[in-house]
Amino acid sequence: DIQMTQSPSSLSASVGDRVTITCRASQTISIYLNWYQQKPGKVPKLLIHTGSSLQTGVPSRFSGSGSGTDFTLSISSLQPEDFATYYCQQSYSDPTFGQGTKVEIK
Amino acid sequence: EVQLLESGGGLVQPGGSLGLSCAASGFTVSSYGMSWVRQAPGKGLEWVSLIAAGGHSPTYADSVKGRFTISRDNSKNTVSLQMNSLRAEDTAVYYCVKWKNDQSVFDYWGPGTLVTVSS
Repeated sequence: DIQMTQSPSSLSASVGDRVTITCRASQTISIYLNWYQQKPGKVPKLLIHTGSSLQTGVPSRFSGSGSGTDFTLSISSLQPEDFATYYCQQSYSDPTFGQGTKVEIK
Repeated sequence: EVQLLESGGGLVQPGGSLGLSCAASGFTVSSYGMSWVRQAPGKGLEWVSLIAAGGHSPTYADSVKGRFTISRDNSKNTVSLQMNSLRAEDTAVYYCVKWKNDQSVFDYWGPGTLVTVSS
């Protein structure tokens, strides 16, 4: 199985900050990396697929990059509605998720 | 409009069995991969099983292999998860999730059903 490791596990940030979350795969996964956002009591929402493609309807402040084993999710200017937990997920083989990164208000 | 609705969750004793069902609408389950993803209380997401479109064999996470079985009923447009030999660590909200084949992503999620394994 391919293991996905996110860092950090949690972070505190202020509205307007730029936030970066990293995700590392235990082996190469090409660009088959997706990002989801989950708010408390809600189901996950797809933000980015295949490394850097923004899902329809997702604000352009979200962006993804990377290939191979190292990937990044960036939020250019954090908004109040962005405080949530973010998960990466590889689809190169049987799906696996990272452990999540909780973005909290500073 | 795509909708997924799980049913069948509840309290079960360790070693027991439980069957979950997922009713789909707005699309045909036979044309898409369908998956179960679970989330233990306060924890992260864990993929459980995937049944691909077509005749491919289902796949399972190592943590449930040999105990869980996923299946699809095309006539009822449903997907099921039969869970046997349940353990305390199987306690979680179980989500039924549609797999978008061309992008290899989970694009629609049901609201989830809670399974609690406890004596």
